[in-house]
Amino acid sequence: AQSVAQPEDQVNVAEGNPLTVKCTYSVSGNPYLFWYVQYPNRGLQFLLKYITGDNLVKGSYGFEAEFNKSQTSFHLKKPSALVSDSALYFCAVRDPDTGNQFYFGTGTSLTVIP
Amino acid sequence: AAGVIQSPRHLIKEKRETATLKCYPIPRHDTVYWYQQGPGQDPQFLISFYEKMQSDKGSIPDRFSAQQFSDYHSELNMSSLELGDSALYFCASSYEGDSYEQYFGPGTRLTVT
Repeated sequence: AQSVAQPEDQVNVAEGNPLTVKCTYSVSGNPYLFWYVQYPNRGLQFLLKYITGDNLVKGSYGFEAEFNKSQTSFHLKKPSALVSDSALYFCAVRDPDTGNQFYFGTGTSLTVIP
Repeated sequence: AAGVIQSPRHLIKEKRETATLKCYPIPRHDTVYWYQQGPGQDPQFLISFYEKMQSDKGSIPDRFSAQQFSDYHSELNMSSLELGDSALYFCASSYEGDSYEQYFGPGTRLTVT
């Protein structure tokens, strides 16, 4: 069965420091992996994706993520956090062998402290 | 750039009433997905349509139905509403021949009283 785990409900980081939001996945085949950000009372905004190719993917707003197949992880990172990065972050996986639906993690609330 | 449009943005219904949510995908997109996000929850996949045919089915209750029309817009019909149906309902669209990411609408907040 497909699943996504975000082990941290809450991440706090000081402005200007690097941030990491963790995600691990479980799929039977080769995964398509995504990160979305959600601001209060807003829809999900696409940040980046891994389909194939280079394990390090760069996305919107200076975010990047590294696909690690051996650790089945796809952690989201940013070298220098901004206060405006404070939001809810969702990792999602799609197993192309079984369908086109996304499976979301439970979300991680990121707070960047000025 | 055009985004996914959902209407209405807010909806208040009473128990046992019906509700219809509408979704207008990004032009050229051929696939529509519906998700339900309860308070403090992650989005749960309900159902999807590709080229007007149901493509995947998730945790959609039997009281709900959905369809995609010839202009690719989709409607989620919800009957016999229950208090537990109160949630944010997202529609997302994608072009399956493209880059796989789903573009989400702003959501419809349904409150059942």
